[in-house]
Amino acid sequence: AQSVAQPEDQVNVAEGNPLTVKCTYSVSGNPYLFWYVQYPNRGLQFLLKYITGDNLVKGSYGFEAEFNKSQTSFHLKKPSALVSDSALYFCAVGQRGDDKIIFGKGTRLHILP
Amino acid sequence: GAVVSQHPSWVICKSGTSVKIECRSLDFQATTMFWYRQFPKQSLMLMATSNEGSKATYEQGVEKDKFLINHASLTLSTLTVTSAHPEDSSFYICSARNPFSGIAYNEQFFGPGTRLTVL
Repeated sequence: AQSVAQPEDQVNVAEGNPLTVKCTYSVSGNPYLFWYVQYPNRGLQFLLKYITGDNLVKGSYGFEAEFNKSQTSFHLKKPSALVSDSALYFCAVGQRGDDKIIFGKGTRLHILP
Repeated sequence: GAVVSQHPSWVICKSGTSVKIECRSLDFQATTMFWYRQFPKQSLMLMATSNEGSKATYEQGVEKDKFLINHASLTLSTLTVTSAHPEDSSFYICSARNPFSGIAYNEQFFGPGTRLTVL
């Protein structure tokens, strides 16, 4: 069975500093990995995905994530945080041949001015 | 492209009434749609997978008679919360998958969500 772990409920970062939001996963085969962001009372916005190919994936709004197969991780990163990045971030995992994707519990990111 | 809408965006109803939420794929045909429920400050919980023209597949613990799902066309799925009670109050989000995108992975496109409050 697939599972996703986001070990941090909340991450606080000063504006302008680099940020990392952690995600680890468990699947039986090759994973499809996603990051989504959610603003209050809104649906999910897609940030980036890893399907195959380069381990470093670049996405929207300057975010990127690195797929690490040996550590089964897919951490979200940004070199310089903005206050507007404050939101709830979800990591998700899927598998080829399975329609479902499984979400982590989410990490609330606070960027301090 | 790949826009998913939901209607209504919010609804308040009395206990015991039924509420219907619509999920539409606006610019693509979605043979598969998903319904999620999100409690405050929590993750998305998959409720059911809806396939056009067939019965929905419900996740364990989700009452199929309580949450009726219909996917009658390639662009519309509906979730009806029957005899709603205050504990059904939640944020309901749908997503749609475009299997004809030519991409062999299961990316989902999400609607903006519907806030249901049952008094």
